[in-house]
Amino acid sequence: KAGVTQTPRYLIKTRGQQVTLSCSPISGHRSVSWYQQTPGQGLQFLFEYFSETQRNKGNFPGRFSGRQFSNSRSEMNVSTLELGDSALYLCASRDNHSNSPLHFGNGTRLTVT
Amino acid sequence: KQEVTQIPAALSVPEGENLVLNCSFTDSAIYNLQWFRQDPGKGLTSLLLIQSSQREQTSGRLNASLDKSSGRSTLYIAASQPGDSATYLCAVRTRDNYGQNFVFGPGTRLSVLP
Repeated sequence: KAGVTQTPRYLIKTRGQQVTLSCSPISGHRSVSWYQQTPGQGLQFLFEYFSETQRNKGNFPGRFSGRQFSNSRSEMNVSTLELGDSALYLCASRDNHSNSPLHFGNGTRLTVT
Repeated sequence: KQEVTQIPAALSVPEGENLVLNCSFTDSAIYNLQWFRQDPGKGLTSLLLIQSSQREQTSGRLNASLDKSSGRSTLYIAASQPGDSATYLCAVRTRDNYGQNFVFGPGTRLSVLP
């Protein structure tokens, strides 16, 4: 089975722009969650999608949004980019059993200049 | 609000040593706890998952224990190898005002010296 795939691997954007990141989960996994990782704040939960619906949301501003498609692929969008949005953005998928483990992709490294 | 801490922040050991990494959480109302390793610039690789009703899980040279009542988990690595060098993170699945989510510790950076 292929793992979680995230594209692109690297992105460089300027302040004020917007960006869209993509995540393809493991086949059969319907839950996709997104995380932001920075040296100062560590790994922080952004949101989780299941069957095209946002199921949970972390404490991030509305500039961060996401969606999930019928094939379980997910996109994350950040609008009006700020320097502090520079981070590694990680996507994880899991199956729908309540205690199933998270499986992560290799992330998208976003640099905002 | 659930908080997860990990001690030590960094650890350097010679090859062959057995070692223990610690993870603590403030709210014992968790669904499960998962240990990961992260190599530089990469995503997280799942190592072990312990359900809230379990006390320990083993995989090869790794053994993870969970004491929910005291809010602690340990990851034991036997006969460490240079390939074990990575950052190790623990995460608890918990419920907060926003619903269920995973809260991660800051990680322990492990270096195993040949």
